Amino acid sequence: EPEVTQTPSHQVTQMGQEVILRCVPISNHLYFYWYRQILGQKVEFLVSFYNNEISEKSEIFDDQFSVERPDGSNFTLKIRSTKLEDSAMYFCASASREGTEAFFGQGTRLTVV
Amino acid sequence: GESVGLHLPTLSVQEGDNSIINCAYSNSASDYFIWYKQESGKGPQFIIDIRSNMDKRQGQRVTVLLNKTVKHLSLQIAATQPGDSAVYFCGLTLAAGNKLTFGGGTRVLVKP
Repeated sequence: EPEVTQTPSHQVTQMGQEVILRCVPISNHLYFYWYRQILGQKVEFLVSFYNNEISEKSEIFDDQFSVERPDGSNFTLKIRSTKLEDSAMYFCASASREGTEAFFGQGTRLTVV
Repeated sequence: GESVGLHLPTLSVQEGDNSIINCAYSNSASDYFIWYKQESGKGPQFIIDIRSNMDKRQGQRVTVLLNKTVKHLSLQIAATQPGDSAVYFCGLTLAAGNKLTFGGGTRVLVKP
């Protein structure tokens, strides 16, 4: 069964460092998303991406965040200068059509120290 | 804007009994509703969805009910099994966009 894959599963980084979280969405999907989940809290929307551009972003997704689809298969989330409060699980998701179920990856646990 | 909330943070249920998880939403423009299950250490897993032009949809052991009048969504799990123990999130999108917004989650604990 097709699945969304994310790497790495766990990333530890020092405050102020840049991190890139990687995702390979399901191959025929066109809509891509990043979500984050702080420990014990709900899953929060960060950004949606379609047709090689951001279609929507939340207030969390500030200038420190960026997304890219560099090669037609990968979908990355970059945090330029990490803060302690960026520590969370980051989930990538993809969907075949707008307004349909999104399939989530297993997440990357980001720990900023 | 839209917001999604859940009535109960934790639901304990006896194995074999039915479970009902409730969710309230605020924006009447919500068009698409969805339930996800999240097991510990894993990503959200799709369970069932429903569009605003329906009020009930059934899957395997699960039923989603949508009451647009009172802006209420529920997930019913029949004959709850130990493998159903997880956190359940409701989510929705607005007709005008594709952003999926989640509620806070209900933890279901199945007692043997």
